[in-house]
Amino acid sequence: EPEVTQTPSHQVTQMGQEVILRCVPISNHLYFYWYRQILGQKVEFLVSFYNNEISEKSEIFDDQFSVERPDGSNFTLKIRSTKLEDSAMYFCASSQAARNTDTQYFGPGTRLTVL
Amino acid sequence: AQSVTQLGSHVSVSEGALVLLRCNYSSSVPPYLFWYVQYPNQGLQLLLKYTSAATLVKGINGFEAEFKKSETSFHLTKPSAHMSDAAEYFCAVSDGVSGGYNKLIFGAGTRLAVHP
Repeated sequence: EPEVTQTPSHQVTQMGQEVILRCVPISNHLYFYWYRQILGQKVEFLVSFYNNEISEKSEIFDDQFSVERPDGSNFTLKIRSTKLEDSAMYFCASSQAARNTDTQYFGPGTRLTVL
Repeated sequence: AQSVTQLGSHVSVSEGALVLLRCNYSSSVPPYLFWYVQYPNQGLQLLLKYTSAATLVKGINGFEAEFKKSETSFHLTKPSAHMSDAAEYFCAVSDGVSGGYNKLIFGAGTRLAVHP
């Protein structure tokens, strides 16, 4: 069964450094998402992406964050200058369409630790 | 704005016992509701979803959920727990207009423990 993959599974970085989290969505999906889960808190929406553009972003997704689909398969989340509070599990998801009823398929997540 | 509340951050049941995980929603429009499960070191996997076609929704691994508008609830049940059901369960509501760009609003999650 097709699945969403994410690399790396765990990333440790120093505060102020740039990180890029990578995702390979399911191949025939058109809509892509990033969510994050700070330890002990809810899974929170960060951003949705369609047709090479951000379609929606949350308040969390400030100028330090960016997303890109650099080629036909990868979808990346970049954090320009990491802060301690960026430490979280980051989940990528994809869906075929973006109706309310469409299933989003999630990857296993990247655990980001900022020291 | 839509939201979901999961009552009970931890639930513990015996193997073979009924599993009941509670989810209440708040929505100004007809909600579309989802239950996801997260096994250790894995991503979120869809268990089932409510799309207004039927109020009783059957999902994978013997789970089902009933949409009750009068109670604004979408509780998840399984008649007989198995050790392999131990995981974290998330209720979510879809927050997007039909035909628009969707996002999921998640509850805080319920960790289910199953003991022999």
